[in-house]
Amino acid sequence: AQSVTQLDSQVPVFEEAPVELRCNYSSSVSVYLFWYVQYPNQGLQLLLKYLSGSTLVKSINGFEAEFNKSQTSFHLRKPSVHISDTAEYFCAVFNNAGNMLTFGGGTRLMVKP
Amino acid sequence: GAGVSQSPSNKVTEKGKDVELRCDPISGHTALYWYRQSLGQGLEFLIYFQGNSAPDKSGLPSDRFSAERTGGSVSTLTIQRTQQEDSAVYLCASSLATNYRTDTQYFGPGTRLTVL
Repeated sequence: AQSVTQLDSQVPVFEEAPVELRCNYSSSVSVYLFWYVQYPNQGLQLLLKYLSGSTLVKSINGFEAEFNKSQTSFHLRKPSVHISDTAEYFCAVFNNAGNMLTFGGGTRLMVKP
Repeated sequence: GAGVSQSPSNKVTEKGKDVELRCDPISGHTALYWYRQSLGQGLEFLIYFQGNSAPDKSGLPSDRFSAERTGGSVSTLTIQRTQQEDSAVYLCASSLATNYRTDTQYFGPGTRLTVL
């Protein structure tokens, strides 16, 4: 069985500071990795995903995540956050042996002025 | 274009009643997914449709839960004899399903179910 762990349930950070949201997964087979974001009062939407190839993937709004197979991690980073990045971020894993997207518990990013 | 829509947006019901939740996927999306988002449980997979068939029903929490999809489009999630622990936001998502493992899933706004 696969599982996804997001170690931090809340991350408060000041505007323009860097941030890292941690995600670790457990799976014995190859995986596809996703970060979804849920802005206040909006539905979940895809932020970025890793399928194959380069282990560093980027979103259009400055976030990036790096797939680290040896550490089974897919941490999300942004060098300088904006107030508008305040949202809940979910890491998710789809493995080749399963039929479902397994989500982590979510991390609430709170950007303060 | 139109995204995934769900109705009702909010549903309050009494314990023991049946409820039906509806999902309209994005036109042309053949895969449809139901999830449940509740406090303390995060996002939980319930069921997945490829066309009108559901290859994986393993996520349904009990036999009080059922889902169907007709015409490869609209899906309904039915909860019979609702219990207070069924209170949650029920999310629907759809994808093109060219490869359902790697497709981006597009989520609806959810239905907030409250069982009194």
